[in-house]
Amino acid sequence: AQSVTQLGSHVSVSEGALVLLRCNYSSSVPPYLFWYVQYPNQGLQLLLKYTTGATLVKGINGFEAEFKKSETSFHLTKPSAHMSDAAEYFCAVTPNYNQGGKLIFGQGTELSVKP
Amino acid sequence: NAGVMQNPRHLVRRRGQEARLRCSPMKGHSHVYWYRQLPEEGLKFMVYLQKENIIDESGMPKERFSAEFPKEGPSILRIQQVVRGDSAAYFCASSPVSIGVNTEAFFGQGTRLTVV
Repeated sequence: AQSVTQLGSHVSVSEGALVLLRCNYSSSVPPYLFWYVQYPNQGLQLLLKYTTGATLVKGINGFEAEFKKSETSFHLTKPSAHMSDAAEYFCAVTPNYNQGGKLIFGQGTELSVKP
Repeated sequence: NAGVMQNPRHLVRRRGQEARLRCSPMKGHSHVYWYRQLPEEGLKFMVYLQKENIIDESGMPKERFSAEFPKEGPSILRIQQVVRGDSAAYFCASSPVSIGVNTEAFFGQGTRLTVV
């Protein structure tokens, strides 16, 4: 069965510092991987996704993530945090390689940004 | 170009009542997914529907919960005889075809159900 583990339910960084949110997945088939952001009382917005091709994926708002098959990881990074990045971040995997379908989400990581 | 619309945004029900949550997918989207988010937890998949068909309901509780996506109109998630443990945020997502290389799911803002 596919699963997603996000290490650290809360991450706090200073404004301008590097953001690193960790995500490891378990999948018996090549996965599609996603990062979503959720602002308070809002729905989820797609930040970026990996399906095939280049393993370094760039998303919106300066975020990027690298798919590392050998480490079964898809960590999210941003070189310099901004106050507006404070939100909850979810990593997700699609378990059905060819058929698509449902997303399996990690527990989420709440990012706080200190001035 | 409206996004995924969910209503109501907030719903309060007394124990034993029924809750009906509505989801209108984005225009042109025929695939709908329902997720539940409990406090301090991630989103848990409930059900995946395509027009008039249930594709995957592996995340749906066996009792009291049902979902439909009729040919016309919104998708409905129905919870009968609600209990306090049903209190959660329920999110709907839609996609034009099943999620894949060139397709993503777009999420609504959710319905926050409170059972008192």
